[in-house]
Formats: sequence, structure tokens, C-alpha cells
Amino acid sequence: DAGVIQSPRHEVTEMGQEVTLRCKPISGHDYLFWYRQTMMRGLELLIYFNNNVPIDDSGMPEDRFSAKMPNASFSTLKIQPSEPRDSAVYFCASSLRPGTQYFGPGTRLTVL
Amino acid sequence: AQSVTQLDSHVSVSEGTPVLLRCNYSSSYSPSLFWYVQHPNKGLQLLLKYTSAATLVKGINGFEAEFKKSETSFHLTKPSAHMSDAAEYFCVVSDQDSSASKIIFGSGTRLSIRP
Repeated sequence: DAGVIQSPRHEVTEMGQEVTLRCKPISGHDYLFWYRQTMMRGLELLIYFNNNVPIDDSGMPEDRFSAKMPNASFSTLKIQPSEPRDSAVYFCASSLRPGTQYFGPGTRLTVL
Repeated sequence: AQSVTQLDSHVSVSEGTPVLLRCNYSSSYSPSLFWYVQHPNKGLQLLLKYTSAATLVKGINGFEAEFKKSETSFHLTKPSAHMSDAAEYFCVVSDQDSSASKIIFGSGTRLSIRP
């Protein structure tokens, strides 16, 4: 298996622009998670899906952030409009059941 | 309520010497416990996991961890450090009987290896 795939690996954008991060989970995994990692706050769970349905989005920082999972093999995390404080590494992870998660390589986002 | 505390933000050892990364947890239910490793500019990789089977868990790359309920600890050890072990290590607790969102990551311990 190719593992969790994320794209792009690096994204540099200007404040106010829309940013879309993409994730392809491991085939057969029912859970998909989006995390954000910064030096200041460490690793934060933003949202997770079970069987394509958002279960808990309490970690989404504000309305500028949205996530979708239109099918079992694809999810997006969108930031609109982006701000410099959104600069971070965003990880997607998937799992067959709660607990054991497999992480993608991450997307390093820089908002200027 | 769950919580996890990694007692050291940074550990430095010499190559060939033992490694000890400390983790304490609290959990209302039967916990699952994990150690993940993150190498620079990489994603997190599962090292090992405890899910109420044997209390001594062996993982990849020679790491192991022991679940001690009386001490609420799940410390990560390795007998002999290698330069390639330099990375960030995260202790994670998950309640087996609760939803997937009850997964708590520790703040991480950065392991440095001296030649």
C-alpha cells in the first residue's frame, strides 16, 4: 500500500488567498483525521471523519476552515481566506479503527 | 478525562547508551497507549502500541515500552542508541471505549544523539 498521500507537500501563498489541501487515505480505512502542527501549539486534531461523515470538528479553529470527504478515498481541508497565523504543517491520518493512525507526510503551508 | 504528560521536552544521550523517554497518562477507561516517532520534515510513524495484552510491548527499531498501571506510566526505552534515532517522539493515549476523537498527543520529546 502507498500509505496516506497528501498534496501538495509545500504551499506558499499570500494572505487572503484560498488554500486547499488534499488527502488520500489508505484504502479500506474508515477513519480520516486532519491535524495541524506548530511549534507553539504542537499537534492539534482539527477534525475527523468516520465513513466519510464528519464526526467531530471541534478542533477547527474558525469558520475560515472547512473540510470535506466526498468519498472514501479523498478529503480536502480548505482555508478561505488564509492568514499568516495559519502557517503550519498539516497532517492527514487514517485508521481502520480508533487509535492506530497512519500519517501522511504532511503539507507545509506558508502564508505570507 | 484523559491526559498525557511527557516529562522531558529534550533528552540527549551518547550513541550506544540506553534511551529512556518518559510518559505518564491518566484515563477514565481502559487506555490504549502508543508511541509515535517523527523524523525531521517527515510524518509521524507508529513505533509501538499497547492495547491491554502483554504489558511489555516491543516495537520497531529496537524500542520497547512497559505499561505500568500502578504508576500510570508508559516509558519508552532502547538499550543502545543509534544516530538514526534522533527525532521527536510522541506519547499518545486513546480510550478504548470512547470515540476516536478522544485521542490525546503528548507535547513531544526531542531525542538528540551525541557521537
